[in-house]
Order: sequence, then C-alpha cells, then structure tokens
Amino acid sequence: DIQMTQSPSSLSASIGDRVTITCQASHDIRNYLSWYQLKPGKAPKLLIYDASNLDTGVPSRFSGSGSGTDFSFTINSLQPEDLATYYCHHYADLPYSFGQGTRLEIK
Amino acid sequence: QVTLKESGPALVKPTQTLTLTCTCSGFSLTTKRTRVTWIRQPPGKALEWLARIDWDDDKFYSNSLKTRLSISKDTSKNQVFLTMTNMHPVDTGTYYCAVTRGPSLTLDSWGQGTLVTVSS
Repeated sequence: DIQMTQSPSSLSASIGDRVTITCQASHDIRNYLSWYQLKPGKAPKLLIYDASNLDTGVPSRFSGSGSGTDFSFTINSLQPEDLATYYCHHYADLPYSFGQGTRLEIK
Repeated sequence: QVTLKESGPALVKPTQTLTLTCTCSGFSLTTKRTRVTWIRQPPGKALEWLARIDWDDDKFYSNSLKTRLSISKDTSKNQVFLTMTNMHPVDTGTYYCAVTRGPSLTLDSWGQGTLVTVSS
C-alpha cells in the first residue's frame, strides 16, 4: 500500500497569511493526488484534483503543485472561512489512502 | 445537483454487523466511469479509505479490512451499501460515501457522513 505523510499536523496562522501544507507519498503517484477541506457537520469538499487543478467554484487563493512523491497545497491570503482540517488523498494504485490531516487554526 | 446521503444505525453492539446505505441522486450508478467509495473517520483521527464499487460492478477493498467488508449496489434505487462484520469499539466513527465521475479518479462529491458508535 502507498503511504501518505502529511505535515504539519496542525498550524496557526493569521488572516491574510500564506499557508502551505505538504504531502509525501511512499511511492511515485504521478499526479494522482487531491486535497479536501473538512468542516464539522458538513460534507467534505474537493478543492484540488490531479495535483494542481482547482475544482469548479473553489476560490483562486487555493492552489496545489507537485508530482511523483512530493506535493504541496497553498492558501494565499488566508480567510476566516478557511478554518478547517485539510487532507491529501492519493488515487494512483488501489487501495487508495489519505494523509493524516492538517488542522488549520486562525490566530 | 449531485447529492449523496449516508444512513444506517447510530449505535451497534460489539460483534454485530453494520450495514450502511448511500442514497445517490443527480447521477446514475450505471453511467460509465461512475465509482462510489466509502471512507470513515474515527473521532479525532484521519480519514480511512474503505471500499469502492464501480459502474461495472468491480469492487475493491482496504487490505486491512477486506475480510470484514462487503460493498454492493442496487441500481434500481441508485443506492450503494457497505456491510462490515464483527464490529469493534475502534470502528466507531463517521462513515462517508463519495462519488467519482471521471475522468479524474478524485472523489468529486461527498455525503455529510453518518456517525456510528460501537458500544455495548
């Protein structure tokens, strides 16, 4: 199975800050990686698919990059509504898996 | 509008079998490249990929749970089912279903999840 190592596990940032989360795969996953936003009581939301593609309707302050084993997810100009937990997810080879999650707090 | 809604018992006893239903709308389970996945999240822990069923009835399971899981679908009702046998307290968590509609294999829409507690 491919393992995903996500970091940091939590971070605190101020409104307007730039925030970056990383995910490392244990094997080459090409660009088969997504990023999701989870908020309590709400359906998880797809933000980025295939490593760098912004899903429809997602604000442009969100972005993703990387290929192979190293990936990053960035929020430019953090907004109050970005308070959430973020997960990476690979879909290169079955069974798929998720990173450990990053809890984002607003200072 | 694509929606998925999970349903099932909120409380199960240890050793019992859990059956969850994912009711889908806004898309058809028989459409080519449509795949439905079950994911769970124990309280305070990470998401865990469980199982997937495809439009052509191919099925895939988590290696660590495959002896306990079964995924199936009823295309006439546009529903997907997940059965997990021999439930333990560590299986407590929120269970989600999500759909992939291609061409990317990403999970493009999710349900809100259903909380299952395993306790005697």
